[in-house]
Amino acid sequence: EVQLVESGGGLVQPGRSMKLSCAASGFTFNNYDMAWVCQAPKKGLEWVATISYDGSSTYYRDSVKGRFTISRDNAKSTLYLQMDSLRSEDTATYYCARAWEGFDYWGQGVMVTVSS
Amino acid sequence: DIQLTQSPSSMSASLGDRVSLTCQSSQGIGNYLSWYQHKPGKPPKPMIYYATNLADGVPSRFSGSRSGSDYSLTISSLESEDTAIYYCLQYDEYPLTFGSGTKLEIK
Repeated sequence: EVQLVESGGGLVQPGRSMKLSCAASGFTFNNYDMAWVCQAPKKGLEWVATISYDGSSTYYRDSVKGRFTISRDNAKSTLYLQMDSLRSEDTATYYCARAWEGFDYWGQGVMVTVSS
Repeated sequence: DIQLTQSPSSMSASLGDRVSLTCQSSQGIGNYLSWYQHKPGKPPKPMIYYATNLADGVPSRFSGSRSGSDYSLTISSLESEDTAIYYCLQYDEYPLTFGSGTKLEIK
């Protein structure tokens, strides 16, 4: 059974950093691109970033370029999202997703609140 | 960036009704469009991929179709559990973009 379990969310002050993790199991992690998708309170879904199966390519939405870094450790079957210079508008639930034909598996999500 | 316009933004229908939700793309994306069902407190659930393919475990009353740059998600006979927000996603090119969603309620 495919499982994606996010961790690392919580409350953080504006300008500070936070790192999210997503532990994957039930599939061959290094065969798939992986992604982060978010949903701000009372808003729709937004794609954040994607990383290729081998980590060689990364893609970001404009609003997070230069502030967020997606990475992966295939030996640990874990996906990461390093979020720096956080802003109040980054407040959202962040989902880890397997990127096949869109997103075919999703984690339960982790809440990130950016507030002083 | 590719814009996806979903219509209607919200709707209500009766149990057993046939319901169609639409997603229009601002550029050609081929069949690289998927649909998701999103209920409060849960992660989005994949419903349709590559425009017309039913995702694993999705009831056969759901179907996807395409006509040019217009994509549709159809529910042949609405059930109470279908109440949710439905989003389309284009994955033809980066940045990947979602539509703004259609909120579907039961009358």
